[in-house]
Amino acid sequence: DIQLTQSPSFLSASVGDRVTITCRASQGISSYLAWYQQKPGKAPKLLIYAASTLQSGVPSRFSGSGSGTEFTLTISSLQPEDFATYYCQQLNSYPLFTFGPGTKVDIK
Amino acid sequence: EVQLVESGGGLVKPGGSLRLSCAASGFTFSSYSMNWVRQAPGKGLEWVSSISSSSSYIYYADSVKGRFTISRDNAKNSLYLQMNSLRAEDTAVYYCARARPVAGRSDAFDIWGQGTMVTVSS
Repeated sequence: DIQLTQSPSFLSASVGDRVTITCRASQGISSYLAWYQQKPGKAPKLLIYAASTLQSGVPSRFSGSGSGTEFTLTISSLQPEDFATYYCQQLNSYPLFTFGPGTKVDIK
Repeated sequence: EVQLVESGGGLVKPGGSLRLSCAASGFTFSSYSMNWVRQAPGKGLEWVSSISSSSSYIYYADSVKGRFTISRDNAKNSLYLQMNSLRAEDTAVYYCARARPVAGRSDAFDIWGQGTMVTVSS
């Protein structure tokens, strides 16, 4: 089974900061990686699919990159509404999908 | 508006059963693979089960295999999860999610319901 790790698991940042979250896969997953944002008490929201494609309606300050085993989600200028938990998901080992453990972004 | 609405959650005793439903609207339900994803309190997301658009292909996570059954009724635009032999560790919010299709497979879950809480406790 493909395992995903995320780093950091928690980060404290200020409005306007550039934030980068890393997701690593235990084996190559090509570009079958998605990123989600989840706020407390809410369902996850798709941000990025195919490693780097921005979902319609998602602000352009979010970007994704990577392929194979290492991927990053970058928020270019953190906004108050971006404080949330972020999850990566691999969809290469279709249909046995796996989520990463999450990265919580908190206010400094 | 594209929407998924789950229902059927509640409190059930260990060993009991529960059937979750997910009502879809605003899109051609019969064209999409669908999934159930769960989230235990304070924990991360766990994929539970997938079903293809015509129900031809069905898959489960090892943690629920043999106990849970996914199904769908395309005429009713509805997805279901029959959960039997429930355990305390099945306590979670259960989400239904639409799979974004690409080249005969999926590359993301693009639409999610609001979730329904299942609590397994005596």
